[in-house]
Amino acid sequence: TQLLEQSPQFLSIQEGENLTVYCNSSSVFSSLQWYRQEPGEGPVLLVTVVTGGEVKKLKRLTFQFGDARKDSSLHITAAQPGDTGLYLCAGERNSGGSNYKLTFGKGTLLTVNP
Amino acid sequence: EPEVTQTPSHQVTQMGQEVILRCVPISNHLYFYWYRQILGQKVEFLVSFYNNEISEKSEIFDDQFSVERPDGSNFTLKIRSTKLEDSAMYFCASSLYGTGYFGPGTRLTVL
Repeated sequence: TQLLEQSPQFLSIQEGENLTVYCNSSSVFSSLQWYRQEPGEGPVLLVTVVTGGEVKKLKRLTFQFGDARKDSSLHITAAQPGDTGLYLCAGERNSGGSNYKLTFGKGTLLTVNP
Repeated sequence: EPEVTQTPSHQVTQMGQEVILRCVPISNHLYFYWYRQILGQKVEFLVSFYNNEISEKSEIFDDQFSVERPDGSNFTLKIRSTKLEDSAMYFCASSLYGTGYFGPGTRLTVL
């Protein structure tokens, strides 16, 4: 069983602060995706990282994939109240066939207070 | 921007009834998935579908569940005899390869 552990589970910060959330596993993934989910809605894809050591930036969000492709981090600079939401990481393991099943972590619930 | 759509957004049913959840994946995508999320829990994989057949299914996807792509656009999940524990958000997703795009979900409530 592949597990993705996300930490912290909850994070409450003030507007303007920086933060990092983590996604760790003992398994290797062919890629890792970060999603943001609002209450009652589906996960919205933020980024996909594929190569070990890869860093991708999306405005104030920086995503990194670990060298061994077992872990990832999401760093937000100067957080804003609009960043509030549930951040999910999901690992993808292509078995070589036609399956791209995602294994999700439980998520980090971020609250940014004005 | 193309998106995955799902209907209905909410479905309330009595235990033992059959329900069909519908999805329209992104048009040029090849892989289709159903996931579910029980309230307060993580998103769980149910089934993947490719080339008109199931690629993989989880232990959750038992004989009560079935999927179908009846035409070139729709992708459905049928639960034959719903149980209370089937109450959850059900998400359809599709991908060309790799990256999956999720629909907004159907909230299923079994009474």
